[in-house]
Amino acid sequence: SSELTQDPAVSVALGQTVRITCQGDSLRSYYASWYQQKPGQAPALVIHSKNNRPSGIPDRFSGSNSGDTASLTITGAQAEDEADYYCNSRDRSGYHWVFGGGTKLTVL
Amino acid sequence: QVQLVQSGSELKKPGASVMVSCKASGYSFSTYAINWVRQAPGQGLEWMGWINTNTGNPTYAQGFTGRLVLSLDTSVSTAYLHISSLQADDTAVYYCARGCGGGCHDAFDIWGQGTLVTVSS
Repeated sequence: SSELTQDPAVSVALGQTVRITCQGDSLRSYYASWYQQKPGQAPALVIHSKNNRPSGIPDRFSGSNSGDTASLTITGAQAEDEADYYCNSRDRSGYHWVFGGGTKLTVL
Repeated sequence: QVQLVQSGSELKKPGASVMVSCKASGYSFSTYAINWVRQAPGQGLEWMGWINTNTGNPTYAQGFTGRLVLSLDTSVSTAYLHISSLQADDTAVYYCARGCGGGCHDAFDIWGQGTLVTVSS
């Protein structure tokens, strides 16, 4: 089982705001990063260092952290945001990495 | 441009071994770590290990120690994943991913396109 826990599925109406969460003890010590994966594609980094976006990622994507929970928020979700989202962080030892189980986002 | 290009799909029999390559271009290879991640069909991402491209020192996830070997050929900016004693549940897409370093808290910023390894008799 993963040390990072995500809800398996979340849905959002087009243009509305959705938050995807990731919970784990290691998040009290280490930042989470977030990845978007569309069918048949490799994952792509969308948020790192709690709330930094790589070049090319729309500013509707943002990240936050509180205690043992990291969150990815999409403000004004678009149809193209429908994808699987994974969080990632170091584990409690600090020497390994671990992924959350993933959240399937549906945009209605 | 910065990219990681992986070797092609593999079909292997149970008990065999496989090697997947990951060739980096567009940046200084020895500056950034290479991680390996796999994804079984319909499943989530699983981190397998990483290799320090400066020292060649690998670190393996629990559950892979003994069967997994990560290596480098810095002369051609390529990282390798070698898995022995393959079983059906090793069937997955294997990805290499660059660790972007301390400035981004080691997030995985560049990914290879993935290599499908199928284990079947």
